[in-house]
Amino acid sequence: LAKTTQPISMDSYEGQEVNITCSHNNIATNDYITWYQQFPSQGPRFIIQGYKTKVTNEVASLFIPADRKSSTLSLPRVSLSDTAVYYCLVVGGNTDKLIFGTGTRLQVFP
Amino acid sequence: DTAVSQTPKYLVTQMGNDKSIKCEQNLGHDTMYWYKQDSKKFLKIMFSYNNKELIINETVPNRFSPKSPDKAHLNLHINSLELGDSAVYFCASSQRILSRGRPSSYNEQFFGPGTRLTVL
Repeated sequence: LAKTTQPISMDSYEGQEVNITCSHNNIATNDYITWYQQFPSQGPRFIIQGYKTKVTNEVASLFIPADRKSSTLSLPRVSLSDTAVYYCLVVGGNTDKLIFGTGTRLQVFP
Repeated sequence: DTAVSQTPKYLVTQMGNDKSIKCEQNLGHDTMYWYKQDSKKFLKIMFSYNNKELIINETVPNRFSPKSPDKAHLNLHINSLELGDSAVYFCASSQRILSRGRPSSYNEQFFGPGTRLTVL
């Protein structure tokens, strides 16, 4: 499974849009890009998954360029409750494994 | 109506003891997992069961033994606990979607609240 690289931490203010970019240079043809969110003292929670172009749900948008070597998670108008660790994962078509990296610790300030 | 539940939430025990953590899911999923999150917050998969069959068995000491009595339960038993076993253990479940007989990537995993194990 492709290794992912993302910033260790990011700071933002309430109401701003936050974009977290993840690189996955060795992504395979059948792999998907998945993002999870983890609040302190809780288990990770699925946010969004995509294969290419753009995916949007009620929580976030995921932008994937044509070469799929990177992806950007976009959180519109963050609030204090969005303070969490965000994990970018590449999920392979032949396995159920989720391989978590270090994640990006997002801190939202008032 | 908790989806994935674990007991106990906290477990404090002495080195050398044997302990178990229980996990139950009421989502009707056929696949369950155990993850370990250490003090540095790295989250690593340990085991996975699909329909009571072991399908993922990472490099974990054989003091750790998972048991799946049915699809809805996956318990983790740990023998001879060591200081390094202190961590938060998460159970998760998902529904395996097969494409041409192989698991598909689209398998959102639902995590439990975690069990914080402290070995003294």
